[in-house]
Amino acid sequence: SQELEQSPQSLIVQEGKNLTINCTSSKTLYGLYWYKQKYGEGLIFLMMLQKGGEEKSHEKITAKLDEKKQQSSLHITASQPSHAGIYLCGADIENSGGSNYKLTFGKGTLLTVNP
Amino acid sequence: EPEVTQTPSHQVTQMGQEVILRCVPISNHLYFYWYRQILGQKVEFLVSFYNNEISEKSEIFDDQFSVERPDGSNFTLKIRSTKLEDSAMYFCASSGQFSGNTIYFGEGSWLTVV
Repeated sequence: SQELEQSPQSLIVQEGKNLTINCTSSKTLYGLYWYKQKYGEGLIFLMMLQKGGEEKSHEKITAKLDEKKQQSSLHITASQPSHAGIYLCGADIENSGGSNYKLTFGKGTLLTVNP
Repeated sequence: EPEVTQTPSHQVTQMGQEVILRCVPISNHLYFYWYRQILGQKVEFLVSFYNNEISEKSEIFDDQFSVERPDGSNFTLKIRSTKLEDSAMYFCASSGQFSGNTIYFGEGSWLTVV
């Protein structure tokens, strides 16, 4: 089984709708990162979560970490075409220690927002 | 917004040739990484580098690969004798001194081995 499972694999929403993407780990999470990627381009940092119950928001994007469930969710409110892209979760599941993070990534969720 | 820069953005090379991918990490960062993403697959960790030595490497990072910080600003990934399966997007990343600091990724270098 995958160490980091993202769901759904792809998502098509109408502009203005809310949506949620999930990332579930089969191992303990020691740090969870969300990135956005456009096809063939770099990873844009969105948010990092470290503590259970932690929740962070930036503009219309909110991410939460449920340590007990070993899961994180990314919620977009009132989606816009600019939100379209591939959302990746990456996590330290080996307790790399210190600042030396070795991230394991999920396969990504492809988001399409129709105007 | 701090930025990790990578060159070249795209390189096509013949199988068996040596390739060097270059990165300029964010200036006050101390930890440097290379990841790769084969087309359609997950982003995979290759190697991390701190204090002028490799901290950790994955199974992918075999003897064909090496990393170097030749001066105070550049961080390079060398593939000695490229294979077709080395074709991928290679990402450089860097992070700061303290635990939990954000890991910033560059735009990537597309490597195509023919």
